[in-house]
Amino acid sequence: NAGVTQTPKFRILKIGQSMTLQCAQDMNHNYMYWYRQDPGMGLKLIYYSVGAGITDKGEVPNGYNVSRSTTEDFPLRLELAAPSQTSVYFCASSYSEGREQYFGPGTRLTVT
Amino acid sequence: TQLLEQSPQFLSIQEGENLTVYCNSSSVFSSLQWYRQEPGEGPVLLVTVVTGGEVKKLKRLTFQFGDARKDSSLHITAAQPGDTGLYLCAGVSGSGYALNFGKGTSLLVTP
Repeated sequence: NAGVTQTPKFRILKIGQSMTLQCAQDMNHNYMYWYRQDPGMGLKLIYYSVGAGITDKGEVPNGYNVSRSTTEDFPLRLELAAPSQTSVYFCASSYSEGREQYFGPGTRLTVT
Repeated sequence: TQLLEQSPQFLSIQEGENLTVYCNSSSVFSSLQWYRQEPGEGPVLLVTVVTGGEVKKLKRLTFQFGDARKDSSLHITAAQPGDTGLYLCAGVSGSGYALNFGKGTSLLVTP
């Protein structure tokens, strides 16, 4: 099992550009999550999904979009990148609500 | 959002010392999880505590959940350089969909 995989590992964007952060899991988990982590600020939930076709906003969804067409994949889309979106992004999955979350290795994004 | 306050924010100790880090909230959680995150990696679950007053041990790490299920502590005995990392607590509220993370305690253990 690869667990949770994320691509790319690093990315530099110019202001106004768009990109998609990829996330995939092979554990057949229904629940998937996107977090951002800023220095000294912990993990903030951006979006989550409780199954294919079902997504909902977390604490900091502005500037992001998600889709969940399959159980395995949960891409995060950034439209019109802004410097405030410079962060490390983590994707996670869990078997059910409130259970252990398995995290990917993260994507470090810089917007300049 | 139910806030989890972790203290201290930073801790630098020498190998062999003992330490305790804390996770406090004014809210009740149905369970609380502790994760460790190493530089450049995602967090990895250490333990989940569910019952008020519960104590769990993981080798040199001892986790305790407060009787009122509002706080938790992590005690490390005889710390080693391999314990270095960011320790995050995360609480599960009644709604259960997402974890509320604290800001973490960054631990550095030097030889």
